[in-house]
Amino acid sequence: EVQLVASGGGLVQPGRSLKVSCAASGFTFSDYVMAWVRQAPKKGLEWVAAISYDGSGTYYRDSVKGRFTISRDNAKNTLYLQMDSLRSEDTAIYYCARPTTGFDYWGQGVMVTVSS
Amino acid sequence: EIVLTQSPTTMAASPGEKVTITCRASSSVSYIYWYQQKSDASPKLWIYETSKLASGVPDRFSGSGSGTSYSFTISSMDTEDAATYYCHQWNSSPWTFGGGTKLELK
Repeated sequence: EVQLVASGGGLVQPGRSLKVSCAASGFTFSDYVMAWVRQAPKKGLEWVAAISYDGSGTYYRDSVKGRFTISRDNAKNTLYLQMDSLRSEDTAIYYCARPTTGFDYWGQGVMVTVSS
Repeated sequence: EIVLTQSPTTMAASPGEKVTITCRASSSVSYIYWYQQKSDASPKLWIYETSKLASGVPDRFSGSGSGTSYSFTISSMDTEDAATYYCHQWNSSPWTFGGGTKLELK
């Protein structure tokens, strides 16, 4: 059974950093592109970043480029999102997701709240 | 950026009623994907490549369209179908989602 279990969310002050993780199981993690999608409170879905199967390619939406870093450790079957210089508008549930034909599996999401 | 515009944004349907949601893209896309999200839950892939049902999705659901105009249909509303539905494209970066359609039970 495919499972994506995210962790590391929390409350952080504007301008500070936070790193969220996503532990994958039930599939060969190193064979798949992975991504983060977020959802602000009471809002819609927004793709944040994606990473190639081997980590050699990373892709970001413009609003997080230069502030967020997506990475992966295939030996640990884990996806990461390092978020620096956080802003109030980054407040959202962050989902890790596996894009194949669409995002076919989603983690449970972690809440990141940016507030002073 | 390809903007996806869903309509309506909210709607209510009675059990047995036919439901149609539209998704219009600002530029042509090859496929549209649809997700179902219930309250306090993660989204689930519902329809992929415009018209193919994801595993476990009842056949009262269907999708169609091409180019810039797509639709999502429930042939006969069921109580369990109340949810928010999102369309999505990954034809070009940034991958984008529609604003969502909240479908309520009447």
